Amino acid sequence: DAGVIQSPRHEVTEMGQEVTLRCKPISGHDYLFWYRQTMMRGLELLIYFNNNVPIDDSGMPEDRFSAKMPNASFSTLKIQPSEPRDSAVYFCASSASGGRYTFGSGTRLTVV
Amino acid sequence: DAKTTQPPSMDCAEGRAANLPCNHSTISGNEYVYWYRQIHSQGPQYIIHGLKNNETNEMASLIITEDRKSSTLILPHATLRDTAVYYCIVSPNNAGNMLTFGGGTRLMVKP
Repeated sequence: DAGVIQSPRHEVTEMGQEVTLRCKPISGHDYLFWYRQTMMRGLELLIYFNNNVPIDDSGMPEDRFSAKMPNASFSTLKIQPSEPRDSAVYFCASSASGGRYTFGSGTRLTVV
Repeated sequence: DAKTTQPPSMDCAEGRAANLPCNHSTISGNEYVYWYRQIHSQGPQYIIHGLKNNETNEMASLIITEDRKSSTLILPHATLRDTAVYYCIVSPNNAGNMLTFGGGTRLMVKP
């Protein structure tokens, strides 16, 4: 298994542009989580899905952030419009059960 | 509202055992103790978890006190590649429960 796959690995964009981050979870994992990591705030859970349905999005910082999971093998996190304070590493993780998550390698987003 | 307390940093000599403590004095009866680590520039990696019995796998051992208010992660023979931030998390072992990561312990393994 290739693990959780995220793309792109790095993204540099200008303020105001739309950014889309992508994640392919491990096949058979019913849960998918999006985290954001910054030096100031550490790892923060943004949203998670169960069987493609968003369950808890209380961590999504603003309406500029949206996440979708159109099928069991793909999820996106979109920021529109992006701002410099959105610069962070965004991780996707998937889980079959309990608290054993498998994380992807992350997307390092820089908004200039 | 932190549920776990860990020292911010620790050093360990290469080849020696690394003992990472975690305090979770308010742990509930249905909550497990999870340990993850994050090597620089990588995603967090699951290490081990337990409820009340000690656990061991190929990566580490987890020792949980009888009152469950604290635990210790043991890396028996630390290598330079074990340099990472180690997170102790308490959470129910239910499918879909959200893991909340604190600050963790930055372990530096030195030659």
